[in-house]
Amino acid sequence: DAKTTQPPSMDCAEGRAANLPCNHSTISGNEYVYWYRQIHSQGPQYIIHGLKNNETNEMASLIITEDRKSSTLILPHATLRDTAVYYCIVRVPDKLIFGTGTRLQVFP
Amino acid sequence: NAGVMQNPRHLVRRRGQEARLRCSPMKGHSHVYWYRQLPEEGLKFMVYLQKENIIDESGMPKERFSAEFPKEGPSILRIQQVVRGDSAAYFCASSPPGLADFNEQFFGPGTRLTVL
Repeated sequence: DAKTTQPPSMDCAEGRAANLPCNHSTISGNEYVYWYRQIHSQGPQYIIHGLKNNETNEMASLIITEDRKSSTLILPHATLRDTAVYYCIVRVPDKLIFGTGTRLQVFP
Repeated sequence: NAGVMQNPRHLVRRRGQEARLRCSPMKGHSHVYWYRQLPEEGLKFMVYLQKENIIDESGMPKERFSAEFPKEGPSILRIQQVVRGDSAAYFCASSPPGLADFNEQFFGPGTRLTVL
């Protein structure tokens, strides 16, 4: 079973920041948090991952709370092409365990 | 630099037939993973393979499903005697050699299996 909880859906205006929350209260000390997204029915696309420090790349930022029980993915300037299902995943050995994700709708 | 390739992209089978799904990992990747996605659901892990070895098949149904990743050629997911409940999107992912726990997985476009 997935070790994460996410809201089923969110809306965001184009050009604004999209903040997607994720709860992972049972995460272990050496387990990473990964974020993927799935646009339409395409294959999932890797976004970012982190352990305890905040991370940033060209796509997004990942903020992990100090107790590591929750995290937030930030898309700083959402575009219509960011409309997708976003999956927060606690990485376990050998596999990714997907939950149901958050369906982000970016509107004009 | 080609990504993960899967074929066919769409496959239609009648109940009782066999389905063979192929996955060519990214160049240099030696780890392959198969996932299944039912309509309106998240992806479910099926199996993790390295060349000629099945590492973790904890998500594979006990009957009718098998997977291989031979020394040469693509990885194959085989479903024998398909039933309507096998209709789903099947995604393959690959990652480079090294610690599988920490390598990101790159996904292919998927094969959509429809069982009539």
